[in-house]
Amino acid sequence: DTAVSQTPKYLVTQMGNDKSIKCEQNLGHDTMYWYKQDSKKFLKIMFSYNNKELIINETVPNRFSPKSPDKAHLNLHINSLELGDSAVYFCASSQPGPPETQYFGPGTRLLVL
Amino acid sequence: SQELEQSPQSLIVQEGKNLTINCTSSKTLYGLYWYKQKYGEGLIFLMMLQKGGEEKSHEKITAKLDEKKQQSSLHITASQPSHAGIYLCGADITGAGSYQLTFGKGTKLSVIP
Repeated sequence: DTAVSQTPKYLVTQMGNDKSIKCEQNLGHDTMYWYKQDSKKFLKIMFSYNNKELIINETVPNRFSPKSPDKAHLNLHINSLELGDSAVYFCASSQPGPPETQYFGPGTRLLVL
Repeated sequence: SQELEQSPQSLIVQEGKNLTINCTSSKTLYGLYWYKQKYGEGLIFLMMLQKGGEEKSHEKITAKLDEKKQQSSLHITASQPSHAGIYLCGADITGAGSYQLTFGKGTKLSVIP
């Protein structure tokens, strides 16, 4: 069984569109994350979220918003897509308390044309 | 500036050879994670180190964290084609317990049969 899954795997869209990427984890973890891996292969945290707290990386534009319908899901909504949003987006989850090993999804490759 | 430096950026080795990948920071690493990334498979957790001087091994892979907790190395013994991929080090450099990881750029490993 896949521990952390993301859909879709690939997403090609036009500038200005609004899109969502879904993430689901079946590990029973309390905390979930979104990371962005840009063309230079840097992997940067965008959000971390648990039942209590949403932590936002201040460099993330407010066009990006995480939505958590329940503990097992953290979806990423992106409004008014821009060319620079093209990247691979990774979802991850972790259990509370040390060690906070994060388990990653397979990634969603987004291409904005 | 990059907060986690990985070296080398890429590595090509003959099957059966040993190799080492380094991860260095100017800041204290409160938790150091090694991941392997294969295309389409997301990030696979390898090992996590927390204490200065700690060393962990799994199969043919050994990871160490130096006493100062600013440098980690990943050593692969008798490399195999299955070891090929991109190795990423990620770390909590804030110490705030937010579990948000900062990642290096990755080291691309190719193993020639």
